[in-house]
Parts: sequence; structure tokens; C-alpha cells
Amino acid sequence: AQSVTQPDIHITVSEGASLELRCNYSYGATPYLFWYVQSPGQGLQLLLKYFSGDTLVQGIKGFEAEFKRSQSSFNLRKPSVHWSDAAEYFCAVASGNTPLVFGKGTRLSVIA
Amino acid sequence: DSGVTQTPKHLITATGQRVTLRCSPRSGDLSVYWYQQSLDQGLQFLIQYYNGEERAKGNILERFSAQQFPDLHSELNLSSLELGDSALYFCASSPSTGGIQPQHFGDGTRLSIL
Repeated sequence: AQSVTQPDIHITVSEGASLELRCNYSYGATPYLFWYVQSPGQGLQLLLKYFSGDTLVQGIKGFEAEFKRSQSSFNLRKPSVHWSDAAEYFCAVASGNTPLVFGKGTRLSVIA
Repeated sequence: DSGVTQTPKHLITATGQRVTLRCSPRSGDLSVYWYQQSLDQGLQFLIQYYNGEERAKGNILERFSAQQFPDLHSELNLSSLELGDSALYFCASSPSTGGIQPQHFGDGTRLSIL
């Protein structure tokens, strides 16, 4: 069965600092990978997705993620964090006709 | 704005009761997905409908049921409610079916069982 692990439950970064959120997945075939963000009281917004091709994908709000098959990872990065980036971030995996499987999420706090 | 509309935003009810949550997908989307989000379980997939037919089933309790109507809106029915059913319930939609389809989420319905 597919699974997604987000090892960090909570991360705190300073505004302007770089950010990397980790995501590891378990699946035999090539997965479809997604990052979503959830602001308080809101639904999930798609940040970016990877299906195939270039392993570095660009998303909205200045985020990017890199697919590394050898490490079964799909880490999310941002060069300079803004206070408005404080939210919960979810990595998700799907394949073929299987539904999305989400990680437990990483809560990002941004301090001045 | 994702284009997915969920009503109501909040629902407070008592144990043993029955509620119906409603979801209108994005215009043109044929697939609707329901998820439950709780602190202990995280985001759990419940069920998917595609063009009116049940397509996939996840961790949905027998007390829960769903349907998708000809106009493509969907309803999630929760009955014999228990305290543990308190959660955020999300609906998502996508144009078609398959894992490659990015899903767009509504803002959710917060269900509180007293």
C-alpha cells in the first residue's frame, strides 16, 4: 500500500530564511506526487505536482519541489519564507486509479 | 477560490443524530471526493464518485453514505453520530478520474458532535 511520511510535525523558521519540508513516499511504481497547503480555517490549495519529466518542479507562491527516485523523496523548498507562508503543508501521493494518500502534515511557523 | 462549494460551513449536533453535508464541484469536474480530517487520523479518504457512480472507497464507516446527483453535486450522509465523528469534512473535485488528476478542495464543513 502507498504511504507518505512527513518526518517533521512542526517547523519554525525566521522570515526571509530558506525552507525545506521533507516528504518520503512508499510505492512500487512511479507515483504522482503533490504538495498542498492548508491555511487555518481553509481548504487545501494545490502548490505543485509531479507526474514525470523534469524532476524539479515549480509551483505557486515561489515554492519548488524536487523528485528524487533513489531516495523516494519529494521535498518542498522555498528560498525565502514570508510570514504569510505560515500554514500546514501536506505531501500526497497517488498512482493509476488509486486515491490520494496524504502525509500527516507539517505545520510551519514563521517568526520575525 | 477553488470553485468547490461546501455547505454548511459549521454544523453542531448531538450524538445519535443524522446530518447531510453538501458539495458542489468545480464547473466541468465529474469526480467528487470526500475526506475526513481529524487531529488523530489526519486526512483520510472516504469515498469517490465519478459522473454519478461510486468509483473508489476508502475508510468510510457503514454509518456514512454518499451519492452524486445528475447535476454532479454530491452529498455525504452521516448517521448515528458519535463523538468521534467530530472532524472537518472536505470535498474535492477533479475533471476526470485517476491518480494523475489534481484535486481541488472546498473549504470544508466543520462537524461538532456534543
